[in-house]
Amino acid sequence: NAGVTQTPKFQVLKTGQSMTLQCAQDMNHNSMYWYRQDPGMGLRLIYYSASEGTTDKGEVPNGYNVSRLNKREFSLRLESAAPSQTSVYFCAMRTENTGELFFGEGSRLTVL
Amino acid sequence: SQQGEEDPQALSIQEGENATMNCSYKTSINNLQWYRQNSGRGLVHLILIRSNEREKHSGRLRVTLDTSKKSSSLLITASRAADTASYFCATPSSGGSYIPTFGRGTSLIVHP
Repeated sequence: NAGVTQTPKFQVLKTGQSMTLQCAQDMNHNSMYWYRQDPGMGLRLIYYSASEGTTDKGEVPNGYNVSRLNKREFSLRLESAAPSQTSVYFCAMRTENTGELFFGEGSRLTVL
Repeated sequence: SQQGEEDPQALSIQEGENATMNCSYKTSINNLQWYRQNSGRGLVHLILIRSNEREKHSGRLRVTLDTSKKSSSLLITASRAADTASYFCATPSSGGSYIPTFGRGTSLIVHP
């Protein structure tokens, strides 16, 4: 999807390992979000950032940390991965004028 | 917590038929959005309807909003096999920050 790039697309981790999911936007908008999507659960918000340097917890923040060091990038870190974090992770940004969300293509994470 | 819920969870129709999906939400909103997600991809914005609008059209899509019933519907006319996807409604969460929350989605299958 135009404007939001996520890496990696796929990752397999062992329990206890750490990793960072990267997200970058090229549309200079303030608000960015990290969601996870599990079968039958829809999208649940992990963390969001209303502007550079600010972050807030969403519905399911436990086990995650985020970083918004600049306007362009919003990263999600798993310090000690657990099997319950096996999911598809989506980063999104929101346009201020229309409120429309642009999503990345997702990062599929499996924790063994 | 989830603000909107889509109904039905799954819908299977023949090409050429119309598909109707509904979204109910809990608290007052100033807008509601519909998104589409093709298998294995990120969500793509379809249409936004504001609280002062009752109906909006975009191509073969028709969205209605009934704020008194706290519900919205998405109608896809003359469905095509390519419309096969999951459809989600998104509403702002209650509170000060603009946080889009999603339901569990409607899975639409259009048979050729």
